[in-house]
Amino acid sequence: KQEVTQIPAALSVPEGENLVLNCSFTDSAIYNLQWFRQDPGKGLTSLLLIQSSQREQTSGRLNASLDKSSGRSTLYIAASQPGDSATYLCAVNRNTGFQKLVFGTGTRLLVSP
Amino acid sequence: EPEVTQTPSHQVTQMGQEVILRCVPISNHLYFYWYRQILGQKVEFLVSFYNNEISEKSEIFDDQFSVERPDGSNFTLKIRSTKLEDSAMYFCASSEILAGRYEQYFGPGTRLTVT
Repeated sequence: KQEVTQIPAALSVPEGENLVLNCSFTDSAIYNLQWFRQDPGKGLTSLLLIQSSQREQTSGRLNASLDKSSGRSTLYIAASQPGDSATYLCAVNRNTGFQKLVFGTGTRLLVSP
Repeated sequence: EPEVTQTPSHQVTQMGQEVILRCVPISNHLYFYWYRQILGQKVEFLVSFYNNEISEKSEIFDDQFSVERPDGSNFTLKIRSTKLEDSAMYFCASSEILAGRYEQYFGPGTRLTVT
């Protein structure tokens, strides 16, 4: 059974810092890994998707990497801003793409001005 | 930009009542999902739906739950007789095959409160 873990559970940084969020998964037979952002009481916004054949994806100040064999992904946020404050979730699905996503518990990020 | 929409945003119901949560997936998407998130817990998969039938369901998705795509645009989740433990945020998602990506897009959620 796939288990997804995210470390740290919470992170508080001053504005402008670069930071790294970690995600690990127990079964490396994944198809995709998605990173999401969730604001309090709101839905999930897809940030980046990495297919299992890829090593990284970039969008603006965000860079996600994937090491499938070791069951790890990192989300790097450059030059953090207060607007980045949210919970960040990673999720994986099995090696047929339209299967369910299995989510981690998330990292709650607070960026202070 | 196309998005998944859900109604209502908040539903309060009494234990034992039936509720229907509604979703309009992105129009060219073929795969549909329901997830839920109990307050303070992980997002959990409930059911996936493709080609007018359930393709996978979790152990949570028992006989109290059903899904339907009644008219080619809406996708509904029905809970027949709600329990207190059904209180959660329910998310609908949809995906398409785009370069093999199957990226899932989520709606804003329906907060279900069972009293």
